[in-house]
Amino acid sequence: GQQLNQSPQSMFIQEGEDVSMNCTSSSIFNTWLWYKQDPGEGPVLLIALYKAGELTSNGRLTAQFGITRKDSFLNISASIPSDVGIYFCAGNYGGATNKLIFGTGTLLAVQP
Amino acid sequence: KAGVTQTPRYLIKTRGQQVTLSCSPISGHRSVSWYQQTPGQGLQFLFEYFSETQRNKGNFPGRFSGRQFSNSRSEMNVSTLELGDSALYLCASSFQPGQGVGEQFFGPGTRLTVL
Repeated sequence: GQQLNQSPQSMFIQEGEDVSMNCTSSSIFNTWLWYKQDPGEGPVLLIALYKAGELTSNGRLTAQFGITRKDSFLNISASIPSDVGIYFCAGNYGGATNKLIFGTGTLLAVQP
Repeated sequence: KAGVTQTPRYLIKTRGQQVTLSCSPISGHRSVSWYQQTPGQGLQFLFEYFSETQRNKGNFPGRFSGRQFSNSRSEMNVSTLELGDSALYLCASSFQPGQGVGEQFFGPGTRLTVL
């Protein structure tokens, strides 16, 4: 099945450090989304990006929709232990569908 | 406001059996999408339903089917289960397809184990 290239695959950091992850696609998307998934739960939306070049923040999280519409990145500043989880990017082609193509995921571990 | 509800949360079946999973969307949401999550393939789109009609289908064999009822609740069925069908099956609800991609919410999933 189709998956977006997401990197890094995993990160092990100290509390207080900043984190950056990105996602690339061979296709153009109309919307980029970033989700966080905790064990045994469904993905929870963190940030939605609707326009190329858009930079959006949600608390300590900042994400950008790449100019080429084929990439996006997510930054987390001053990480805390509850940031632990798996982060996924997802793209939507637009039109009359909410179908998402997901990235491969980034596992984030934060040591207090 | 209650979130997306999926039942059952856990299920164990044996090869060859069939299984039905249920999803109740958020009140007022009329679109339901299903995803399969496995360690090897990640999150893969299965189907999307709106107004009791399948609007989009992912690249899965015909053993995977679904339907949506008039109250927007959705079920998916997997027949002749294979070991590789072991996965977390996630349901997402939204108002309607094509609007509010960022306003679709996922349920907690049904963990299916095939022995």
